[in-house]
Amino acid sequence: DTEVTQTPKHLVMGMTNKKSLKCEQHMGHRAMYWYKQKAKKPPELMFVYSYEKLSINESVPSRFSPECPNSSLLNLHLHALQPEDSALYLCASSQVWGLAGGSSTDTQYFGPGTRLTVL
Amino acid sequence: KQEVTQIPAALSVPEGENLVLNCSFTDSAIYNLQWFRQDPGKGLTSLLLIQSSQREQTSGRLNASLDKSSGRSTLYIAASQPGDSATYLCAVPYNQGGKLIFGQGTELSVKP
Repeated sequence: DTEVTQTPKHLVMGMTNKKSLKCEQHMGHRAMYWYKQKAKKPPELMFVYSYEKLSINESVPSRFSPECPNSSLLNLHLHALQPEDSALYLCASSQVWGLAGGSSTDTQYFGPGTRLTVL
Repeated sequence: KQEVTQIPAALSVPEGENLVLNCSFTDSAIYNLQWFRQDPGKGLTSLLLIQSSQREQTSGRLNASLDKSSGRSTLYIAASQPGDSATYLCAVPYNQGGKLIFGQGTELSVKP
């Protein structure tokens, strides 16, 4: 099973709301990622967790707060977002962070995404 | 700085045609190259990953090749079907980490 699940599929929130996105994988992967994707653009990396620890923060504004409660679960907490934050938020996972030299270990598997609209 | 380019940005072909999607990268010292498919409003589906030591990978009607020296990869789709319509993205890792540098994608439309 190479499935990454994300909930909710769609989210509409006001600028004063607090909401969370959830991502789950049961492949035993120890690296998990959050990407942001605007229409007609490729995904942009936001955060990387490796063994439940934050390894990479791509200078993301503090109104986005990631959390990795365990090796299977990744959350993205949202607060005081701006309309320009509206986008498709994608979660991904891979066996490890960094390159181990094998197709099975280096491949990143993506979830279906959460379509976020900020009003 | 690694840059990944995909040309053309959009491609429309009749059903049954064989086609080639192109991906080029500026720094030939890549570790691997991954091809993804993305349906509108959906996540990315990994199609093929080619390690730097490999020349090609095949999966069903898909064949991906890699020429590091020229900084190019191609994705060959045989006997295209309307269900192949999607955006195809290629990506390479940044240095030795797992951060992916994506191309802008090629939007493929296969007409019945």
